[in-house]
Amino acid sequence: QKEVEQDPGPLSVPEGAIVSLNCTYSNSAFQYFMWYRQYSRKGPELLMYTYSSGNKEDGRFTAQVDKSSKYISLFIRDSQPSDSATYLCAMSVGANAGKSTFGDGTTLTVKP
Amino acid sequence: GAVVSQHPSWVICKSGTSVKIECRSLDFQATTMFWYRQFPKQSLMLMATSNEGSKATYEQGVEKDKFLINHASLTLSTLTVTSAHPEDSSFYICSARESGGNKQYFGPGTRLTVT
Repeated sequence: QKEVEQDPGPLSVPEGAIVSLNCTYSNSAFQYFMWYRQYSRKGPELLMYTYSSGNKEDGRFTAQVDKSSKYISLFIRDSQPSDSATYLCAMSVGANAGKSTFGDGTTLTVKP
Repeated sequence: GAVVSQHPSWVICKSGTSVKIECRSLDFQATTMFWYRQFPKQSLMLMATSNEGSKATYEQGVEKDKFLINHASLTLSTLTVTSAHPEDSSFYICSARESGGNKQYFGPGTRLTVT
């Protein structure tokens, strides 16, 4: 079983929809949680970075962490065609604590 | 801020030759850099963790003599694919972690094609 599980999709939504992307994990030591966006043939771009449980909002993006359920989410409001990409969750045990563990990514298409 | 560059962005080489890929953190110091490869429509696969001034740590199944990593400064790490073969054709991506921090910033990737 993988340490981080992420539904690969693909997920297709109409423009303007609210998108929910999720990851589950098994390692209770994870404390730092990240979401990356990767466009085709590009490197991943850091979107959200959160520590421990709670919510964090940045524009149309909201990251949610529920450590008790070992479940993290990324919500995209008012989705746009330019949001079409692969979204990767990642998590790590602590600062300077070595590599992050990545999910396999969810491919999202927002149709105009 | 937090920009990571890679060079070259695209390279074609003949089987049996070696290729060097550079990864630079442009506006921050990175004690640790990571090298990944990614096949089309597949996830990132961590190849090795590179720490400035010390030997890289390779993931299981990655040949350290084939994929040579050097992290000579706090802003530069290089990956050399030695004696490349067509099966080494892939998208290679580096990331850099800020010294004292936990955020990883990725480079734009290098597409390697071995003919």
